[in-house]
Amino acid sequence: GESVGLHLPTLSVQEGDNSIINCAYSNSASDYFIWYKQESGKGPQFIIDIRSNMDKRQGQRVTVLLNKTVKHLSLQIAATQPGDSAVYFCAENIGGTSYGKLTFGQGTILTVHP
Amino acid sequence: EAQVTQNPRYLITVTGKKLTVTCSQNMNHEYMSWYRQDPGLGLRQIYYSMNVEVTDKGDVPEGYKVSRKEKRNFPLILESPSPNQTSLYFCATGQRNTEAFFGQGTRLTVV
Repeated sequence: GESVGLHLPTLSVQEGDNSIINCAYSNSASDYFIWYKQESGKGPQFIIDIRSNMDKRQGQRVTVLLNKTVKHLSLQIAATQPGDSAVYFCAENIGGTSYGKLTFGQGTILTVHP
Repeated sequence: EAQVTQNPRYLITVTGKKLTVTCSQNMNHEYMSWYRQDPGLGLRQIYYSMNVEVTDKGDVPEGYKVSRKEKRNFPLILESPSPNQTSLYFCATGQRNTEAFFGQGTRLTVV
């Protein structure tokens, strides 16, 4: 079946660097995308979302880019901090009457070295 | 304080002994869902509900049941647990086309 995937399973960066986490999706009907952060022993925590009518959305230190042509999603974290170390998941949703059905990617482990 | 509460947080049980994991939310959200998380497989949706008395299968519904008799509660029922249901389970809630809020998780071990 169609699913969300990731290019890189692990990413190591130095504190202060910018991080980019990538995600490829295959369902062209998906119109809502979410990035989650999961720290050890905790549930996933919302970071930022983007709808398919947008190409870019910015939050505090984070930016999500959506390229519908190649079905690619990325999360950029500026000035990465040790507290950003976690597993990051992208998720997609078709919306409409199926807005409750989220499909998650495998996750990327981000490690930030002091 | 907005909360998604799962109980229990940890459970060890034996094969075939029926169990229920509860999920309760205080945000009046329409949508509730259950996921299981396994190493290398990420989060997979088991069941979801978009309102009271409305439930739908997710990607891995086999061996699970749910009910949504009231808006705030969405219990996950394992009628006859098996070892392959050993996993970390998360409940999530949300509204239409908004992010899902996750509970703290329930670690289930079936021996």
